[in-house]
Amino acid sequence: QKEVEQDPGPLSVPEGAIVSLNCTYSNSAFQYFMWYRQYSRKGPELLMYTYSSGNKEDGRFTAQVDKSSKYISLFIRDSQPSDSATYLCAMEKAAGNKLTFGGGTRVLVKP
Amino acid sequence: NAGVTQTPKFQVLKTGQSMTLQCAQDMNHNSMYWYRQDPGMGLRLIYYSASEGTTDKGEVPNGYNVSRLNKREFSLRLESAAPSQTSVYFCASSEELSGLSDGYTFGSGTRLTVV
Repeated sequence: QKEVEQDPGPLSVPEGAIVSLNCTYSNSAFQYFMWYRQYSRKGPELLMYTYSSGNKEDGRFTAQVDKSSKYISLFIRDSQPSDSATYLCAMEKAAGNKLTFGGGTRVLVKP
Repeated sequence: NAGVTQTPKFQVLKTGQSMTLQCAQDMNHNSMYWYRQDPGMGLRLIYYSASEGTTDKGEVPNGYNVSRLNKREFSLRLESAAPSQTSVYFCASSEELSGLSDGYTFGSGTRLTVV
């Protein structure tokens, strides 16, 4: 079993809808959580970073962490075709350790 | 502002051939990484270098070697390519191993096909 699980999708939504993505993890030692976005034929790029349980908002993006359930989420409001990409969660056990990536969820936003 | 530069972008090798993938970063980052990405497998860490002068194995190091040439450059070598090494290879760098300050910065990838 992988330490970090993510549904591969694809998740197809109409333009303007809310996109809901999530990752589950098995190791309670994970403390730092990130979301990366990867466009086709490009490298991943950091989208958001959260440290503790709760919500963090950045424009149309909201990251949510529930450490008690070992579950993190990313919500994209008012989705646009330009949001079509693969979204990877990543997490770290403690400062000084490497990131562990989820497998990524492919999102398609249809005009 | 180049970030992480990988060369080549595409490569086709015959089984048994060798090649070196080059990676350079201009952000003065201490840590560098090599990943491979395959459908359904996500990003898998091959090797990493926490700082100049050090290298360590990741999740899937077999069949690969690395060299941290200096602080800027981190190369990945396939000594005898096999079809199982057909993949997209990404180099990444970060200020520190944790990536907490600004995350990992990735290059645009090398698409390698071994026939």
